[in-house]
Amino acid sequence: AQSVTQLGSHVSVSEGALVLLRCNYSSSVPPYLFWYVQYPNQGLQLLLKYTTGATLVKGINGFEAEFKKSETSFHLTKPSAHMSDAAEYFCAVSLGGFKTIFGAGTRLFVKA
Amino acid sequence: DAGVIQSPRHEVTEMGQEVTLRCKPISGHDYLFWYRQTMMRGLELLIYFNNNVPIDDSGMPEDRFSAKMPNASFSNLKIQPSEPRDSAVYFCASSFSYNEQFFGPGTRLTVL
Repeated sequence: AQSVTQLGSHVSVSEGALVLLRCNYSSSVPPYLFWYVQYPNQGLQLLLKYTTGATLVKGINGFEAEFKKSETSFHLTKPSAHMSDAAEYFCAVSLGGFKTIFGAGTRLFVKA
Repeated sequence: DAGVIQSPRHEVTEMGQEVTLRCKPISGHDYLFWYRQTMMRGLELLIYFNNNVPIDDSGMPEDRFSAKMPNASFSNLKIQPSEPRDSAVYFCASSFSYNEQFFGPGTRLTVL
């Protein structure tokens, strides 16, 4: 069965510092992987996705993620945090044709 | 495209009343999802449809919850009778095939 684990329910970084949000998945077949962001009082919106091909995926707002099959990971990074990045981030996995499983979410705090 | 449209955005009702939440998916999308989000339980998938047919309703918490999709442009989620523990933000999302989901802005339900 597929599953998603996000390490750390809360992450705090200083403005300008590296953002690293961790996601590990469990899947018996090559998955589709997604990162979504949720700002307060809004729905989730897609940051980036991996389906096939290049394992380093670039998304909106300067975020990127790397699919590492050997580590079953899809960590989200951004070189320099901005105050506007404060939000909740969800990792998700889909086996194509089946429902998408979302992680529990990681709330990112950015300190001035 | 206007995106996924949900109504109402806020609903306050009293215990025992029927509640109806509405969703208009993005035109051309063949999957529609209903989620519930709470602080305690996070994001939960309630039910999803493919081509207007319910595929998996295992997440529907009780018989008090029902969802229909009479056509490709509309779905509703009903709670009858409502209880205070149903208070949450309910999201509708749609997608095309296995791709990313597009979320609506959500309906914040408060049951007194």
